[in-house]
Amino acid sequence: AQSVTQLGSHVSVSEGALVLLRCNYSSSVPPYLFWYVQYPNQGLQLLLKYTSAATLVKGINGFEAEFKKSETSFHLTKPSAHMSDAAEYFCAVSDQRGGTSYGKLTFGQGTILTVHP
Amino acid sequence: SQTIHQWPATLVQPVGSPLSLECTVEGTSNPNLYWYRQAAGRGLQLLFYSVGIGQISSEVPQNLSASRPQDRQFILSSKKLLLSDSGFYLCAWSDQGTSPLHFGNGTRLTVT
Repeated sequence: AQSVTQLGSHVSVSEGALVLLRCNYSSSVPPYLFWYVQYPNQGLQLLLKYTSAATLVKGINGFEAEFKKSETSFHLTKPSAHMSDAAEYFCAVSDQRGGTSYGKLTFGQGTILTVHP
Repeated sequence: SQTIHQWPATLVQPVGSPLSLECTVEGTSNPNLYWYRQAAGRGLQLLFYSVGIGQISSEVPQNLSASRPQDRQFILSSKKLLLSDSGFYLCAWSDQGTSPLHFGNGTRLTVT
């Protein structure tokens, strides 16, 4: 069974500071990995995805994540935080088998990012 | 372009009442469809998924059911709501194969 652990349910940074949101996964097969962002009372929006191509993945809004197999990690980073980045972020994992597996994601518990002026 | 519609946005229902949440997708054919529930501080839990009309897979035993009467329509139902059914319900779709999930805006359900 696959699982996702997001370290830190709340992360607070100053505007302009580095954003680092941590995600570790476990999977019995090479995984697909995703980061989603959720603004209050809205659905989830895909930030980026890793699908066994380049290990450094660039996403929208200046975010990127690096797949590290040896550490089973997929941490999300952004060099300079903006106020508009304040939201909840979810890491998710999917195994690659089966036509439906891409959508059968296992999500982490989420990390709420607060950005201070 | 593809869009997903989910309604209602908010719903307050008494314990024991029925439930029907609807989700429709436009701009694609034969999508995979999903219902997720998000409880406060507990991430997202996959409830049901469907790969075609009338084909429903349940991920967890519960008080809810799902149906797919049309290719791009997915309905979440309950005959009698429980307090524990409160939460934020998200519908999502993906293309068959290797497409990621695309979410609707969710329905906030409060069972009183």
